[in-house]
Amino acid sequence: RKEVEQDPGPFNVPEGATVAFNCTYSNSASQSFFWYRQDCRKEPKLLMSVYSSGNEDGRFTAQLNRASQYISLLIRDSKLSDSATYLCVLYNAGNMLTFGGGTRLMVKP
Amino acid sequence: DVKVTQSSRYLVKRTGEKVFLECVQDMDHENMFWYRQDPGLGLRLIYFSYDVKMKEKGDIPEGYSVSREKKERFSLILESASTNQTSMYLCASSQSGRPYNEQFFGPGTRLTVL
Repeated sequence: RKEVEQDPGPFNVPEGATVAFNCTYSNSASQSFFWYRQDCRKEPKLLMSVYSSGNEDGRFTAQLNRASQYISLLIRDSKLSDSATYLCVLYNAGNMLTFGGGTRLMVKP
Repeated sequence: DVKVTQSSRYLVKRTGEKVFLECVQDMDHENMFWYRQDPGLGLRLIYFSYDVKMKEKGDIPEGYSVSREKKERFSLILESASTNQTSMYLCASSQSGRPYNEQFFGPGTRLTVL
C-alpha cells in the first residue's frame, strides 16, 4: 500500500462550485500534514498546512482526521485560477516529506 | 523574493553519459533536496543535505550521487545515465531547524535519456 494515496482525477468542476479532495495515509505516526499546489509545468508551492483542529484560508479549508487517517481540502467558489494539481504531503519523525501523486483539478467557465 | 534556480529546463543525454544537474538558492537555507517526479508516483526524494559537505540518502538514491561544496549550491550527478532515469528533477531548499519547514522548489529539469 502506498504511504500517501490520492485520487489522481481530474476533477472537472464549473466556476463557483465547491469541490473537495481527500488524501489517505498509511503511517499512523505521521506528524505534520500539508497541501502543496502545482500548476501545469511549474514547481510545487506550499498552499497550506493542515492542523488537527482544521484550518481555513479564504476559500480553502483543510481538515485532518487522525482516526481514519485522511486529510481533506475543500475549495469553495472555485475560480479558473484554481486549476492545478494539489499534492498531499506529510512528514514522519526521522524521515523527510512524503508526497502523494496529486489530484488534478480543472475549473471550467 | 525567494529564488531556487536550476541549470537547465530541458536536457537530453545518451545512455552511459555522466550528467550534472545544478541547483542554486539565494535564501541562505541550510537544507537542500533533490527529487524526481514521475506521473502517478509523486515526488520521490533522491538525496538531501543539511549542511555544506553533508549528504543523506533519500528513498531512491541508487544510480545518483550529490555534491554540496557551497551552502547555496547542491548538485545531482548521474554517474552513468540510463533510460529509467528519464524524469523531471526538482531541487528544493528550506530553512534549518525542522525538515518540514516550507520547501521552496526550483522550476525543474526535464531530463530525457536516449
